[in-house]
Amino acid sequence: SQQGEEDPQALSIQEGENATMNCSYKTSINNLQWYRQNSGRGLVHLILIRSNEREKHSGRLRVTLDTSKKSSSLLITASRAADTASYFCATDAEHVVTGTASKLTFGTGTRLQVTL
Amino acid sequence: AAGVIQSPRHLIKEKRETATLKCYPIPRHDTVYWYQQGPGQDPQFLISFYEKMQSDKGSIPDRFSAQQFSDYHSELNMSSLELGDSALYFCASRFTGGRGMNTEAFFGQGTRLTVV
Repeated sequence: SQQGEEDPQALSIQEGENATMNCSYKTSINNLQWYRQNSGRGLVHLILIRSNEREKHSGRLRVTLDTSKKSSSLLITASRAADTASYFCATDAEHVVTGTASKLTFGTGTRLQVTL
Repeated sequence: AAGVIQSPRHLIKEKRETATLKCYPIPRHDTVYWYQQGPGQDPQFLISFYEKMQSDKGSIPDRFSAQQFSDYHSELNMSSLELGDSALYFCASRFTGGRGMNTEAFFGQGTRLTVV
């Protein structure tokens, strides 16, 4: 089963509105990363938040992490049509052998549609 | 800045043929991941390497194999191709360094494999 579950699965908003996407996971993590993917294209890295961080900002993006609830949220403020894409969270933990980062486990993604 | 390079970008093969996908990680990155993404699906982990050694194995069919070479580039070899292998294949790289030095994982643009 997937480590991460995202909700909503689909979100449709108008340009200028804020979009909030949530991600939940099941096991302890080291890092949580958010990615954007346009249809059939590559995964673009947005932001990484470490397990000892609670909030992080990057431009119009704000990410929060609540390790007690095993959840994260991605807020996109003042959305634009160009933000239309699928958004995925991906978690990793400490690799049991190497001690470095384990594989990334992806959530199911939120499809965001921003209309003019 | 250098990104993760994947080749080829598109590949069309017939059933039972063999395909080789290549990945050139960002310089000085010590970890490579391979993922498969079917239409409308989230990325599924196949295999990863840390310092040229296999570090994790996911849902990779026995017909697939991968390795990382001395120059850190990686290849995913897929034999006896089936129609269900049609998907986007992504490679990602990151520098993990050691315990606590976990950083962003960056993805390539992917190889779109179509099996006919």
